[in-house]
Amino acid sequence: DIQMTQSPSSLSASVGDRVTITCRASQSVLNYLNWYQQKPGQAPILLIYAASRLESGVPSRFSGSGFGTDFTLTIRNLQPEDFASYFCQQSYSSLVSFGGGTKVEIK
Amino acid sequence: QITLKESGPTLVKPTQTLTLTCIFSDFALSSSRRGVGWVRQPPGKALECLAVIYWDDDKRYSPSLKSRLTITKDTSKNQVVLTMTNVNPVDTATYYCTHFQGQVSGTLLDYYYMDVWGKGTTVSVSS
Repeated sequence: DIQMTQSPSSLSASVGDRVTITCRASQSVLNYLNWYQQKPGQAPILLIYAASRLESGVPSRFSGSGFGTDFTLTIRNLQPEDFASYFCQQSYSSLVSFGGGTKVEIK
Repeated sequence: QITLKESGPTLVKPTQTLTLTCIFSDFALSSSRRGVGWVRQPPGKALECLAVIYWDDDKRYSPSLKSRLTITKDTSKNQVVLTMTNVNPVDTATYYCTHFQGQVSGTLLDYYYMDVWGKGTTVSVSS
């Protein structure tokens, strides 16, 4: 199994900040890495796939990077609607697996 | 517009079998590079992929739950069913049905991602 580890598990930030979330895989997943956003009581939505490709309709302040085992999700100019939890997911192995999540809270 | 909707019991007793149904629209599970997955989330915890079934009937299961899970599809009904045997309280969670889309990557392995999710159904396991 490929284990996905996210850090930090939570962070506090202000509107307008730049936020970076890290995801590390227990083995190389090349660029088979997706990012999701989830708000309380709602289903997750896809933000980024293939490590850096922005899903249609997702604001350009979201960006992803990385390859192999280390990946980052960056949110520039944090907006009020961005306060949520974020999950990474690898799709390299035969069954996808998720990271533990990062909760972005208002400072 | 692709939609998925989960249905099933809200309360199940320990040792019973849980059956969840996903009815979807606006895509054909017989089309290549498509799949339907089940993901669950215990209260306040992370997401866990339980099983995925692909357009070619390939099935993948969570290694830790494989002995308890069965996923099937009925393409004529646009329906995917997940059964979980011998449930226990740790199976209490919100269960999501997802559309699993593949995209050509230029290598042997396509990119897959869950681009549409159902709203989820909450299942409690308690006596």
